[in-house]
Amino acid sequence: AQKVTQAQTEISVVEKEDVTLDCVYETRDTTYYLFWYKQPPSGELVFLIRRNSFDEQNEISGRYSWNFQKSTSSFNFTITASQVVDSAVYFCALSGYGNNRLAFGKGNQVVVIP
Amino acid sequence: DAGVIQSPRHEVTEMGQEVTLRCKPISGHNSLFWYRQTMMRGLELLIYFNNNVPIDDSGMPEDRFSAKMPNASFSTLKIQPSEPRDSAVYFCASSFNGRDSPLHFGNGTRLTVT
Repeated sequence: AQKVTQAQTEISVVEKEDVTLDCVYETRDTTYYLFWYKQPPSGELVFLIRRNSFDEQNEISGRYSWNFQKSTSSFNFTITASQVVDSAVYFCALSGYGNNRLAFGKGNQVVVIP
Repeated sequence: DAGVIQSPRHEVTEMGQEVTLRCKPISGHNSLFWYRQTMMRGLELLIYFNNNVPIDDSGMPEDRFSAKMPNASFSTLKIQPSEPRDSAVYFCASSFNGRDSPLHFGNGTRLTVT
């Protein structure tokens, strides 16, 4: 079974500060896929990034970056120079190769204070 | 391109009534998912379809819940009879192959059962 843990429940930062969200996962699959989703106050769920288990290269996309480390089963997500519009709940999610079940963590509530 | 379309956006009903939630996936996507979101349990996968066929309904909480996908462009989630504990936001999502493709979510249906 897949399991995703997001330990931090609410994180408050002042605008322009960086914020890093931690995600730890458990899976027995050797091939799996990791995702981050954003849920703004309006309620919709928006796909942000995806990573395959066989690709540990960390990347930056605009103000978003992620740090994938298989050795520690972590898939952390960073927002650089946060803005008020980044205020949302961020979900880490995992799916295994053998099934389509996407397991979500409990989410991190990010509050960016102007 | 139109995203995943869910209706209604809000539903208020009395305990014991039948509730039907509707979903139109993104054209060309062959996997469809129904999720439920509550404060206590977070995002839970209820059921998913691949090529209109239900693949995994282990997340459906009780026999009161049923889902159908009569064709590639339409799915329903029905609760009969509804109970107050069914109050939640129900999301429909679709993807190209479900496993490693990102899920695209609808705006959700907020269900309140009184």
